[in-house]
Amino acid sequence: KAGVTQTPRYLIKTRGQQVTLSCSPISGHRSVSWYQQTPGQGLQFLFEYFSETQRNKGNFPGRFSGRQFSNSRSEMNVSTLELGDSALYLCASSAGQTYGYTFGSGTRLTVV
Amino acid sequence: AQSVTQLDSHVSVSEGTPVLLRCNYSSSYSPSLFWYVQHPNKGLQLLLKYTSAATLVKGINGFEAEFKKSETSFHLTKPSAHMSDAAEYFCVVSDRSGGSYIPTFGRGTSLIVHP
Repeated sequence: KAGVTQTPRYLIKTRGQQVTLSCSPISGHRSVSWYQQTPGQGLQFLFEYFSETQRNKGNFPGRFSGRQFSNSRSEMNVSTLELGDSALYLCASSAGQTYGYTFGSGTRLTVV
Repeated sequence: AQSVTQLDSHVSVSEGTPVLLRCNYSSSYSPSLFWYVQHPNKGLQLLLKYTSAATLVKGINGFEAEFKKSETSFHLTKPSAHMSDAAEYFCVVSDRSGGSYIPTFGRGTSLIVHP
């Protein structure tokens, strides 16, 4: 059974640019959530999508957005990048909210 | 509102000795609790979860955790540490605060295993 796949693994962008990250969940999982991991703030929840609808949202500015497609694949977009957006972005899929999450290996974003 | 506190940022043990990683939580509802492990440059892997069934939960790789409601704790233990256990461990709480499940992560505990 294939795991959660995130692409790309590494990304370097310049301040002011925008970036799109991709996540393919485990087959059959309809819930996809995104997290930002930094040394200073730890792991923080960004948002969760279920059946193409945003179900939950963390406390991040509107520059962070996402979407989910009919095949459950999800993308996350960050516009007008800031240096502080440099982080490991993790995607996770789940069969249900109390089942726990299966995480991908993450996308390491560096903003210069 | 829910919250989780991992009481130790670093725990150092010798190979073959017991491991104890401490986690306290706060929740207004019946929470789901999870432990995850993260190896360097990797995503998080689920070790075990508590979702209101048995209070002693067994996970992968010999880890287990006990849910103690009276102490609001969910400590992670392993009888004998292995070198491959060296990693970052996260305690996570999730409940229906605000009507939906949003997980809250602890700050993590770095487990160091000495030969």
